Amino acid sequence: RKEVEQDPGPFNVPEGATVAFNCTYSNSASQSFFWYRQDCRKEPKLLMSVYSSGNEDGRFTAQLNRASQYISLLIRDSKLSDSATYLCVVNGVGYNFNKFYFGSGTKLNVKP
Amino acid sequence: NAGVTQTPKFQVLKTGQSMTLQCAQDMNHNSMYWYRQDPGMGLRLIYYSASEGTTDKGEVPNGYNVSRLNKREFSLRLESAAPSQTSVYFCASSEALPYEQYFGPGTRLTVT
Repeated sequence: RKEVEQDPGPFNVPEGATVAFNCTYSNSASQSFFWYRQDCRKEPKLLMSVYSSGNEDGRFTAQLNRASQYISLLIRDSKLSDSATYLCVVNGVGYNFNKFYFGSGTKLNVKP
Repeated sequence: NAGVTQTPKFQVLKTGQSMTLQCAQDMNHNSMYWYRQDPGMGLRLIYYSASEGTTDKGEVPNGYNVSRLNKREFSLRLESAAPSQTSVYFCASSEALPYEQYFGPGTRLTVT
């Protein structure tokens, strides 16, 4: 079983739509969670960390559900510039504490 | 502040050739990482260095070696390149574990 799993999409949405992605992780002891954004042929860039209480940054909201072992990302009022691949990242535990595990990404296309 | 830099940006090798990918960061981060990214696979950790003087294997270390030359620099060596090593290679650094990582622009490697 993969450490982190995401729906690859693509999610095709019109401008102004609200879209949500989920990501599941396999190890219940994981402590750190992130969403990264990756544009085509570019490096991943941190979008936001995900805190236990949930957190918001402008149009973006991240939630953590430890009981069901998933994290989510909600994007409100989608812009054309939000088109990218969104990567879910979870850190390892125990001996693998120093490692980060990446999902394969969810592709978002925002259309005019 | 350049962040994380990688050289070269592009490289074509013949099977059996060797090369070293260079990575440097100017953020005074302790931890550095090498990943490869293949279509549909997400980022997979090759090697990481939690601090200067230490290196550890990631998920896919076979065929690679690394050197943490000093706190700033972390190189990845392919001793005898194989077509299966055709990929995009990203270097990343992190202040401490398990905080967010910052990525370099990547090296696109093709092995023929």
